[in-house]
Amino acid sequence: SQTIHQWPATLVQPVGSPLSLECTVEGTSNPNLYWYRQAAGRGLQLLFYSVGIGQISSEVPQNLSASRPQDRQFILSSKKLLLSDSGFYLCAWSGITMRAYNEQFFGPGTRLTVL
Amino acid sequence: SQQGEEDPQALSIQEGENATMNCSYKTSINNLQWYRQNSGRGLVHLILIRSNEREKHSGRLRVTLDTSKKSSSLLITASRAADTASYFCATDAGGGSNYKLTFGKGTLLTVNP
Repeated sequence: SQTIHQWPATLVQPVGSPLSLECTVEGTSNPNLYWYRQAAGRGLQLLFYSVGIGQISSEVPQNLSASRPQDRQFILSSKKLLLSDSGFYLCAWSGITMRAYNEQFFGPGTRLTVL
Repeated sequence: SQQGEEDPQALSIQEGENATMNCSYKTSINNLQWYRQNSGRGLVHLILIRSNEREKHSGRLRVTLDTSKKSSSLLITASRAADTASYFCATDAGGGSNYKLTFGKGTLLTVNP
């Protein structure tokens, strides 16, 4: 069965510090991978998605970047965090199935607080 | 941009009652999905309804889709305290946007024991 991992679960970082959040998927090959951010009491904002190694699409201009160094690894980074980067970050994957319906499977999330 | 918009934003009911949440969207879709999120956790996929379907059931869940009105509803029957969570609709526009879902802001459902 497929599983998705995110770490760390919580993170408190000072403004101006770097960020690296990691997401890995097990039990599937060539997944589509996604990073979302969720502000308190709000819906999900798609930040990046990737359909293959080294292929990253950015949805909104921001202080963040993403990389996919391996098939089942997706990393969210920042060189210098801003207060506005605080939020709940969710990684998700979807697979190419016979029906190709884009059901997404989410990790447990990382709660980031920038102080 | 936000495609799906759920209403109400919050819903509080008693255990055993039915809960109905609605979702409206703006552009044509390939399918519409409903997800559940417990506080502080990731989202869990509940049910998917294709654009050529009008109603779908899964256990205590019933989803309807009206493409002419660009709206969907999620009905949870005989609610339980464990159903307390946020519920999100997500639309898949298909075509060139095959890889993306657009999520609404969600409905916070509270089921009181």
